[in-house]
Amino acid sequence: AQTVTQSQPEMSVQEAETVTLSCTYDTSESDYYLFWYKQPPSRQMILVIRQEAYKQQNATENRFSVNFQKAAKSFSLKISDSQLGDAAMYFCAYRSSGEYGNKLVFGAGTILRVKS
Amino acid sequence: NAGVMQNPRHLVRRRGQEARLRCSPMKGHSHVYWYRQLPEEGLKFMVYLQKENIIDESGMPKERFSAEFPKEGPSILRIQQVVRGDSAAYFCASSRSQDEKLFFGSGTQLSVL
Repeated sequence: AQTVTQSQPEMSVQEAETVTLSCTYDTSESDYYLFWYKQPPSRQMILVIRQEAYKQQNATENRFSVNFQKAAKSFSLKISDSQLGDAAMYFCAYRSSGEYGNKLVFGAGTILRVKS
Repeated sequence: NAGVMQNPRHLVRRRGQEARLRCSPMKGHSHVYWYRQLPEEGLKFMVYLQKENIIDESGMPKERFSAEFPKEGPSILRIQQVVRGDSAAYFCASSRSQDEKLFFGSGTQLSVL
């Protein structure tokens, strides 16, 4: 079974600075999807970024980018120019491409605090 | 287009009672998923339904838990004879097709006294 590990329970960043959240995963599959979700205090899960494993190029969405290292099974999230609204719990998630449907495996999460 | 709607937002039950959690997917979405989030943990998959059919219930406890997604109306996650260990946030998510982007609701926080 696939597992997702987020080794940083909590991270802090100064407003306007850059922060990187770590994620590693374990799988024997070659084709899969990886995601970062943001969960603010409202509790709603918001998709931040998605990466297909077969794509070499790292995904980017405005201030959010990933460093996808397939051989190392690492998928870190970089947040540039951090804003107060970025404060939330961030979850890394994995989905097998062979699985029918959106059955995601989540990590335990990293709390991100943004200091003004 | 309203998002995924879950109700109630908070639900308090005493041990042994039944809990019914409702989820209305986004308009046009026929794929519904239920996830559970225990305190200090990530979300864990429970069940995947497509109109009137259970596609994958591999994450669902074998006893006391059931889910349905009828032809008309919301999807229901039902927990019978609740125990303290059932206390968690239960999230519903929906998608238009099995490969498309997943949209989450804000969850139902179940507290068992």
